[in-house]
Amino acid sequence: EDKVVQSPLSLVVHEGDTVTLNCSYEVTNFRSLLWYKQEKKAPTFLFMLTSSGIEKKSGRLSSILDKKELFSILNITATQTGDSAVYLCAVKGAGSYQLTFGKGTKLSVIP
Amino acid sequence: EAQVTQNPRYLITVTGKKLTVTCSQNMNHEYMSWYRQDPGLGLRQIYYSMNVEVTDKGDVPEGYKVSRKEKRNFPLILESPSPNQTSLYFCASSLYSDPSTDTQYFGPGTRLTVL
Repeated sequence: EDKVVQSPLSLVVHEGDTVTLNCSYEVTNFRSLLWYKQEKKAPTFLFMLTSSGIEKKSGRLSSILDKKELFSILNITATQTGDSAVYLCAVKGAGSYQLTFGKGTKLSVIP
Repeated sequence: EAQVTQNPRYLITVTGKKLTVTCSQNMNHEYMSWYRQDPGLGLRQIYYSMNVEVTDKGDVPEGYKVSRKEKRNFPLILESPSPNQTSLYFCASSLYSDPSTDTQYFGPGTRLTVL
């Protein structure tokens, strides 16, 4: 059974801080790992990491995948109050049609 | 506008009264899926569909039914709702039948309360 563990479960930082969110996983025949942002509504896609793409960056957000140690991190630099959300990590194995999600990390950015 | 729509967005019902939550996408996506989200448990997949007339169980299918008669629609049916099905439900879709090859687009969610 595929498994995703995110840490920390909750995090409070001040604007301007840099944060690192963690996602460790166990999946049969790893295919991809995805990060989503959820702000009191539907999750929105951030990044997808695969064997051929282990590092992604978009503005202040970046993510890396360590396939050997089976984890990924999501970095947010110079945090803003608009970054406050739940960040979800999901993984998928080859031959499976399912995504397995972690429980999420709730990030609160205070002014 | 490309989107996934769900109806209703909010529903309060009573135990045992059959209900259907509709999901529709206008992006010609092959893959569609239903999730429920509960505090402390995260997003869990209920059912998914790789294409028309092809559906399969996710991690928590008990008490739910689905159908995929048309590519754009994927309704979730609760034949006899119970209070433990009180949850926030999301429908999602992706272009290809293999959701690892591209992202899933989520609908706005349906908050269901079963009394």
